[in-house]
Amino acid sequence: DSGVTQTPKHLITATGQRVTLRCSPRSGDLSVYWYQQSLDQGLQFLIQYYNGEERAKGNILERFSAQQFPDLHSELNLSSLELGDSALYFCASSSGTAGNTIYFGEGSWLTVV
Amino acid sequence: GNSVTQMEGPVTLSEEAFLTINCTYTATGYPSLFWYVQYPGEGLQLLLKATKADDKGSNKGFEATYRKETTSFHLEKGSVQVSDSAVYFCAPPLYNFNKFYFGSGTKLNVKP
Repeated sequence: DSGVTQTPKHLITATGQRVTLRCSPRSGDLSVYWYQQSLDQGLQFLIQYYNGEERAKGNILERFSAQQFPDLHSELNLSSLELGDSALYFCASSSGTAGNTIYFGEGSWLTVV
Repeated sequence: GNSVTQMEGPVTLSEEAFLTINCTYTATGYPSLFWYVQYPGEGLQLLLKATKADDKGSNKGFEATYRKETTSFHLEKGSVQVSDSAVYFCAPPLYNFNKFYFGSGTKLNVKP
């Protein structure tokens, strides 16, 4: 158990809809990362937050957004969903200091039909 | 910026064979280096790490030595098992909040 909790574990939704994925980081970790993993794209870095502020942005689509709340949990919002958004979405956390280990959650499986 | 180059897979080995998965990096300074593993149907988990040059990380029979002269962090195991079948990721340095990208990983298939 990495200590990173993601909900829901599985989600099936229709094209055009909007979903929210939730992540609770490990206790004490200030930094949260979101990744998308699909069969043909590998593991794609989406975005990173540190103590409530956006720190780094990767290959995140404009239809996607994220935030980190004062209690440090984070949400990834996916809107106007397309079939190609079907993927496994991982949240990870770390203390945020250089050289520190990143711990991953078990992921949220999103299927868009 | 910081980056890694990891050998592409898939790698298919017989049980008890020797494993090497190559990883080289470019980085500012000498940050920590990591190997992560993803077993089928699971998230990524830390396999091992080395925090400074010439350090050796080890776990579950896997080893990797942080070699600054060759800027490499190759993953090795003397005798692989079927249960080692997974995707292995060499992770770029987490350094001053740089984007923490992973490569495509190397898929290892171990046959009995």
